[in-house]
This record gives sequence, C-alpha cells and structure tokens, in this order.
Amino acid sequence: GAVVSQHPSRVICKSGTSVKIECRSLDFQATTMFWYRQFPKQSLMLMATSNEGSKATYEQGVEKDKFLINHASLTLSTLTVTSAHPEDSSFYICSARDLDRANAYEQYFGPGTRLTVT
Amino acid sequence: GEDVEQSLFLSVREGDSSVINCTYTDSSSTYLYWYKQEPGAGLQLLTYIFSNMDMKQDQRLTVLLNKKDKHLSLRIADTQTGDSAIYFCAEPRVERALTFGSGTRLQVQP
Repeated sequence: GAVVSQHPSRVICKSGTSVKIECRSLDFQATTMFWYRQFPKQSLMLMATSNEGSKATYEQGVEKDKFLINHASLTLSTLTVTSAHPEDSSFYICSARDLDRANAYEQYFGPGTRLTVT
Repeated sequence: GEDVEQSLFLSVREGDSSVINCTYTDSSSTYLYWYKQEPGAGLQLLTYIFSNMDMKQDQRLTVLLNKKDKHLSLRIADTQTGDSAIYFCAEPRVERALTFGSGTRLQVQP
C-alpha cells in the first residue's frame, strides 16, 4: 500500500528556534497533503491543507506566519515551526492523497513527529 | 460548531466484544472511517464504510451506520490485549481532509 514518511520522528528544540518537519509520499504522487496537530490525550485537529505549487490553506486560528508550509513537489511537503515556544510542543501528523486515485476513499497518514520545545 | 463525538473510555475483558460509538455531523458524508492509534504512534486505518451501506463486516470488525441518527459504531469481536489503543471515527470534509472524533480509549483487561 501507499506509504507516507515523516522526518524527523522526534525532535527537541530550544524555545525561539525553528524546526522543519518533512512529509514525503514514497510511492505515489500527492497534489494535496494535510497537516494535523495532536495535543496529549486529544484528537487530531487539521492545521492546514498543503497544495503543490500554491499557497497552503490554513484553518481558523492557525498562524500562517508561524507554521510555514511549502509543498514544492508532488512528493514532499514541509512544515516549519518558526520561533517555537513550549506551547507548540505537540504531535504533528501529515497525510496525503494519491493523485492517481483521486476518488479513492483513503488518505495515507505519516507516522507523526513529536516536537518538544524546551 | 458541531463536533464528531465519541465516549472517552471503554474497558472490556479479553475475549469480550467491544462496541465503540460515534455521532458524526454531516449527513452528506459519502464515507466514514475508523482509525486506530497505539501509544506514541501514527494512525492506522482500520475500516471504512460507504454511506449507502448499513453494515460492513471485516473479520473481527463490524461497522454499523445509522444515517438517520448520524450514528456510527465499531464492534470488535473477541477483543484481545493488542486491541488496546485509541479509536477515532472520522468523516471527510472539504478537499478530503478529515474531521476526527475525540477518540475512545479502549482498555482490554487480561
């Protein structure tokens, strides 16, 4: 089946620094990828929709200048958390849809990246 | 706005059946999903059901859909300790992102 990878799987950074998280579709092309955030013991909340070759669409309440999304190719989207603060500590999960299966029911999730800001 | 709702916790004994319930929001959803998340891990698609179905069975899993009440359930037969996890129901939204329920933590007692 289709595989989505994320890198890194876990990162610890100091407050005020920036962290980049990569999401790759390994064996399919994805025009659209989604970034979710999951706080401890909570559900996943959609942060933004990443579209290849165009600007990301952010959900209400998500700061686009803080969470920079770049979808430079059909297999890679990156999320950069700028000037990270402890409240940004969370589990970040991406997902992607297979371009060749535009009507398929399934989207494929990455394994997640756990960000801890100290 | 409306939320996709689930009960937060369910505890069962090994070998019993587990039933996890979900109330979704959009009556026009074409399909609905159940995902499993083990501690510290990503999401695993367990099963899905199309809106034109009332029931779907896949080995130990049975999904029931009541469109009138916007109610979805997941039954796990012969629950095992390896089934202990958080289970999320989800419905699609614009551009096929998903709206997830709050998650139900299933604890299986040996």
